[in-house]
Amino acid sequence: QQQVKQSPQSLIVQKGGISIINCAYENTAFDYFPWYQQFPGKGPALLIAIRPDVSEKKEGRFTISFNKSAKQFSLHIMDSQPGDSATYFCAASMSGSARQLTFGSGTQLTVLP
Amino acid sequence: NAGVTQTPKFRILKIGQSMTLQCTQDMNHNYMYWYRQDPGMGLKLIYYSVGAGITDKGEVPNGYNVSRSTTEDFPLRLELAAPSQTSVYFCASSYPSKLEGEKLFFGSGTQLSVL
Repeated sequence: QQQVKQSPQSLIVQKGGISIINCAYENTAFDYFPWYQQFPGKGPALLIAIRPDVSEKKEGRFTISFNKSAKQFSLHIMDSQPGDSATYFCAASMSGSARQLTFGSGTQLTVLP
Repeated sequence: NAGVTQTPKFRILKIGQSMTLQCTQDMNHNYMYWYRQDPGMGLKLIYYSVGAGITDKGEVPNGYNVSRSTTEDFPLRLELAAPSQTSVYFCASSYPSKLEGEKLFFGSGTQLSVL
């Protein structure tokens, strides 16, 4: 079964700290790895995404690190802010599948002021 | 700039009742999806569609049906509601883009309780 395992389930970080969320996948056919951010009462929204031909992608304070051999990828949030408090989902998909995303179980991030 | 619109936002059903969750998008996206979100479980794909007249099952299709008569609309039908269908339902749409990647646009969700 296609699975994406995400950890930790919850994370509390002080303002200005680094938040790190990890995901691992099984299916080597996955070729697209997005991260979605969800605020309470809202639908998820794409935050950042990476393809396996690069090992890192950075957009502002958000960085994805990708380790193809270990089948793992992670989200790093630098200088975490209270406004980053949300639920984060990693996901994966493969070409030719109508881009069906397989989501991780989510991480609830709380950034303390 | 409506994006993906879902109705209703909240609904309470009795066991055995039926209902349709509405979803419409104004971005002319070919791909549309229905996900359910349960606490601690992430989002699970129920059904998806790659265009008008074409639908297919996702990971958890049992107890649900869909139709796609137009590009804009993708309703989800629950027949004989069961407590296990208590969840938050999200509709999403996307278009295939090699440049931007396959970005899903989600609606704001329908919170359904079956009692």
